[in-house]
Order: sequence, then C-alpha cells, then structure tokens
Amino acid sequence: NAGVIQTPRHKVTGKGQEATLWCEPISGHSAVFWYRQTIVQGLEFLTYFRNQAPIDDSGMPKERFSAQMPNQSHSTLKIQSTQPQDSAVYLCASSFRGTQDTQYFGPGTRLLVL
Amino acid sequence: QEKVQQSPESLIVPEGAMVSLNCSFSDSASQSIWWYQQHPGKGPKALISIFSNGNKKEGRLTVYLNRASLHVSLHIKDSQPSDSAVYLCAVSKDYGSSGNKLIFGIGTLLSVKP
Repeated sequence: NAGVIQTPRHKVTGKGQEATLWCEPISGHSAVFWYRQTIVQGLEFLTYFRNQAPIDDSGMPKERFSAQMPNQSHSTLKIQSTQPQDSAVYLCASSFRGTQDTQYFGPGTRLLVL
Repeated sequence: QEKVQQSPESLIVPEGAMVSLNCSFSDSASQSIWWYQQHPGKGPKALISIFSNGNKKEGRLTVYLNRASLHVSLHIKDSQPSDSAVYLCAVSKDYGSSGNKLIFGIGTLLSVKP
C-alpha cells in the first residue's frame, strides 16, 4: 500500500498565477480531507469529502480556493490568483469511512508563491 | 472556537529518557483526542488516540486524559533518536451533520540525543 500520494511535492508560482494540487487517497478509503500547514497557524482544516461528495468546506478561503473529487481515486485543490500568503504545505489525508476514523496523511505539497 | 495548546514548544532529552508532552483544550464536549508524530518533510502519522478519562498504553506510549481539567498528556518511555519529531495534539470535535473535525495544536518539537 503506497499510502496517500500527493503531487507535486513542491510548486513555485508567481503572484496571480493558478496552482492545482493533486491527491490520491488510499485505495478503499471513502473520506478525503485537505489541510494547510504553516509555522504560524499550524495545521488548519480546509475541506472534507465523503464518497466523493463535498461535506464540509468551512475552512476554505471563499474566493480563490476550490476543491473537487471527480472520482474515488483522486481529489484536487485549486488556488486561483495565488498570493504570497497562500505559501504553505498543503496536506491531504484519507480515512476508511469518515471523520471518526484514523486519518492517514500524505507527504504534502509545499507551495511557494513569489 | 476550540483551542488546543501544547507545551513545551520544544524539548531536548538524552536517549533512554522518559518524555512527557502536554496538551490542553477548551471544550470538555470534545470527542477523541489524538496524538500525531510528524518528521521533517513528511505528513503527520497517527500514534494513539483516547476517548475516555483515564489512561491508555500502547507499546512505549502512554496517554492520560482528564476531561475535568481539559488536559491530556503523552508519555514516551525509553526514548530513541528516531522519536525525534514534532508531536501534534489534535482534538476531535463534533460539528453535527458535518461530522467530527480535528483541531490541531501547534506542536512540540522533540529532539532525542544519542
């Protein structure tokens, strides 16, 4: 089992450009979570899918962030018009059924906006 | 808004020492408490969780939960250099139809010196 796969591992964008981050959950897991991690704020919840349906996006900045899960094997987090304050490590996690099960994290995508 | 505070911020111990990490939370109605370990460049890895008051032991790890004092601690026996990592405390809080959400502390950086 390869665990949760995230690509790319590192991404550098210019201010105002778009960034798309990819996540492949563990096979058989029906829940996918996205988090953002910075030194100052720590690990913050962004959004959560169960059986590909969006359940909770309460942590998503409203205007420029969007997430999708078009099929059970991958999810994407898109950031439009990236800003320097979007620089962070974006982590994807999956769990077997939902929020009460152990969450298994991927290695993260380190995004740097110049 | 649930708040999770961890102490100390960092800790250096000699190999073989007992390590004690602390976490306080703000809502006694919180569900499970989780401890995660994060090595540099990796995603967090779940170590142990506890729901009921009291203690739980798994291998070299023991966790103590006191809901009345809103406090949980993690103890690592016979620490090893490979235990050097950031330890994250996470509180699982019920948000109704959205399910539970993990609220993370900033973490404690542990360094075990050979």
